[in-house]
Amino acid sequence: QSALTQPASVSGSPGQSITISCTGTSSDVGAYNYVSWYQQHPGKAPKLMIYDVSNRPSGVSNRFSGSKSGNTATLTISGLQTEDEADYYCSSYTSSSTLVAFGGGTKLTVL
Amino acid sequence: EAQLVQSGAEVKKPGESLKISCKGSGYTFTNYWIAWVRQMPGKGLEWMGIIYPGDSDTRYSPSFQGQFTISADKSTSTAYLQWSSLKASDTAFYYCARRQQLALSAFDTWGQGTMVTVSS
Repeated sequence: QSALTQPASVSGSPGQSITISCTGTSSDVGAYNYVSWYQQHPGKAPKLMIYDVSNRPSGVSNRFSGSKSGNTATLTISGLQTEDEADYYCSSYTSSSTLVAFGGGTKLTVL
Repeated sequence: EAQLVQSGAEVKKPGESLKISCKGSGYTFTNYWIAWVRQMPGKGLEWMGIIYPGDSDTRYSPSFQGQFTISADKSTSTAYLQWSSLKASDTAFYYCARRQQLALSAFDTWGQGTMVTVSS
């Protein structure tokens, strides 16, 4: 069982917006602004999309945004495109000896 | 541009030893933590441990403690993940990833992954 909880799947149509939640605890998501999101296409390495809750690395589309409220972080993808279809993972720094926790992943389907 | 290049796929038998590598380039290798992440077939990402090549400070996830060893060689800018006795349950993709200096959960550069298959 993953330390952070994500929905197993979400779906949307091209042009729509979707959100993916990532629920942790007061020891990880709720305690630090060190939440990141990764996109992984089949057979590929993960790619950093959001870091420190809401920052985008250079080169990542501004259609991707992040936020946090309490123990839950959220990834929003606006203007869905077919190439956004992938698995998405959240991660957070944690005060436990684990140091880093990952979510179980969410499969995004663009219908 | 920072890059991590991992060693190739491996097929091993249970009980055999293995050491896979992750070579960094395009940045100062000793200044960034390198993590290892496991992804079992069809499953999610699991953080295994992390090493700071500058002084070899190493942390392991309690979920994996004792099952493998993480090391680094500053002279060759290479991090390693090794097992002394593989099990079938070690079959997975293994990724190395560079952690950003200030963003403590942000891994901004990933290796291409190494597939390890353990089967009799």
